[in-house]
Amino acid sequence: EDQVTQSPEALRLQEGESSSLNCSYTVSGLRGLFWYRQDPGKGPEFLFTLYSAGEEKEKERLKATLTKKESFLHITAPKPEDSATYLCAVQASREYGNKLVFGAGTILRVKS
Amino acid sequence: SQTIHQWPATLVQPVGSPLSLECTVEGTSNPNLYWYRQAAGRGLQLLFYSVGIGQISSEVPQNLSASRPQDRQFILSSKKLLLSDSGFYLCAGEMGGSDTEAFFGQGTRLTVV
Repeated sequence: EDQVTQSPEALRLQEGESSSLNCSYTVSGLRGLFWYRQDPGKGPEFLFTLYSAGEEKEKERLKATLTKKESFLHITAPKPEDSATYLCAVQASREYGNKLVFGAGTILRVKS
Repeated sequence: SQTIHQWPATLVQPVGSPLSLECTVEGTSNPNLYWYRQAAGRGLQLLFYSVGIGQISSEVPQNLSASRPQDRQFILSSKKLLLSDSGFYLCAGEMGGSDTEAFFGQGTRLTVV
């Protein structure tokens, strides 16, 4: 069964306090791993796609990395505007197209 | 660019009433389409996905059904709503090839009373 597990469930940081979010997965036929940001009451906003172990992507204060079993979203010197829920999803290839499975998310709060 | 339109943004329905949520796609053709439900403070639970007209895969047994009558239209329905159907419903699309990410609508907040 395809499974995506994110940790921690919630994370409180002080402004400037760097940290990492974890996404571990078990899926057959992995095509890609995605990170999204979601603000309350809104649809998820795409951040990164990773396709192979060892790949890294960066965007402002965020950096995503991928291994064969997990992905990390590193947040460097976060600001209060980085507060959001961060979602990880894996895209699995199936006979009838791709299936996109999400983790439960990590709720990040950054205090000034 | 691809865009997903969902409506309504919020909906309050009595228990036992029917439901129809519509999702339409602009800016692309033949997308894979998805319906997700998100409980408060939780992740996205995949309900249905579709790779083409009339092709629906159901992920969890439930009180809901989905249909895809046109290439860029995806409908989530129920004949009789339950209290447990309350949640935030999101429609998503993706092109199904490599190097593509899913794009989301802004969601429908459904409250069953």
